[in-house]
Order: sequence, then structure tokens, then C-alpha cells
Amino acid sequence: AQSVAQPEDQVNVAEGNPLTVKCTYSVSGNPYLFWYVQYPNRGLQFLLKYITGDNLVKGSYGFEAEFNKSQTSFHLKKPSALVSDSALYFCAVQDSWGKLQFGAGTQVVVTP
Amino acid sequence: GAGVSQSPSNKVTEKGKDVELRCDPISGHTALYWYRQRLGQGLEFLIYFQGNSAPDKSGLPSDRFSAERTGESVSTLTIQRTQQEDSAVYLCASGLKTGPDTQYFGPGTRLTVL
Repeated sequence: AQSVAQPEDQVNVAEGNPLTVKCTYSVSGNPYLFWYVQYPNRGLQFLLKYITGDNLVKGSYGFEAEFNKSQTSFHLKKPSALVSDSALYFCAVQDSWGKLQFGAGTQVVVTP
Repeated sequence: GAGVSQSPSNKVTEKGKDVELRCDPISGHTALYWYRQRLGQGLEFLIYFQGNSAPDKSGLPSDRFSAERTGESVSTLTIQRTQQEDSAVYLCASGLKTGPDTQYFGPGTRLTVL
């Protein structure tokens, strides 16, 4: 069985400050990890993924994530947050058939 | 290019009625997935297609739910005798192939069962 956890329901950050959204995972084999973002009344937009390769993954809109096998974490980061980054962020783990299992989501609020 | 599209965007129905939700995947994508997002709950997997075959239907909540896909094209999710607990946003995603790969999501269909 595989699972993913997002320990924070909400993250508040001031514009221009670093943003981190936490995610930990549990899988029995190789982890396939994803971050998606959801804006109000919209579908999910793909941000980045880790399948294999470098532990530091760069994605859309200036986001990056670091895969840490020893800590079973895949935290999402952005060096300087924008007000427009305010949205709901989902971490997900994918099985070998492609099924995504999502975390509960973290609401990011960036204040001017 | 065109992304995943879903119709209708909103559907309000009465309890006991049947509804059909449609998904048009990105052209050339063989894999198609349906998920459900209920208010206050997370996203849950419903079913996936590899071409027009559905190898895994384990996520369908009950036998009132069914889905089909025509070739590597349109998919419809049908809910019979809708119940209030079926109210949710139904999301469709497609990918180039099944297995570990990026899925691209449509905007969703918001279903409200009165």
C-alpha cells in the first residue's frame, strides 16, 4: 500500500518570502511523486514530478521540490512567493499503473 | 494545443435521476483516468482506461457507477439513481500512457444532487 501525507492544512507566507509546502510518502517500491496546484473552480495543474534521476526537481512557475529518500519526503519550495501563488496544493504518489493517490491538500495563502 | 475538456461544467439533478459526464482527452493520449473530489474530502480515484479497456474499476463506489471509453477518445462516466452523497466535482485526466507519467486534468464537472 502507498500513501502520502501533507501535514499542514494551510501555509501562510508574506509575498517575497520563501514558500515551503511539506509532503511525506510511504511506498513499497520506487516512488513516483507529483505536485499539482488547484486554483478556485479550476482543475488541477501539473507543477512537477519525480520519477527518477536528480533529487532536485524544477517545475513550472519557479517551483522546485527535493526528493529525500531517507526522510521519505518531497517538499515543494519556491524561493520568493507571489500573491498569485495562493491556491490549493496537492502532493500525490503514483502507482505502476498510473493511479494517483493524493494528499489532503495544503492551502497556501500569500499576503501582500 | 487543446487540453482535456469535460462537459457539462455544472450539472444539477434530482435524487434518483441518471447522469452522464463526458471527458475528451488530449489527442493521442491512451490513458484516461476519472477522479472524484468531494467537498471537505480529498481526491479519490474512480477508474482508469488503457485505450478502451478498463483494467481497474476498483475505485467505483458502487454498482450505480459505470464508465466506458470509445477507442482512445471520449469517455463517459454514468451515475444511475443518483444520491446526495454523489455530489462532488468529477475530474478527468489523460496521459500519453498508463504507468508512471504525467496526467493532465480537465476543469471538472460539478455535480449537485438535490
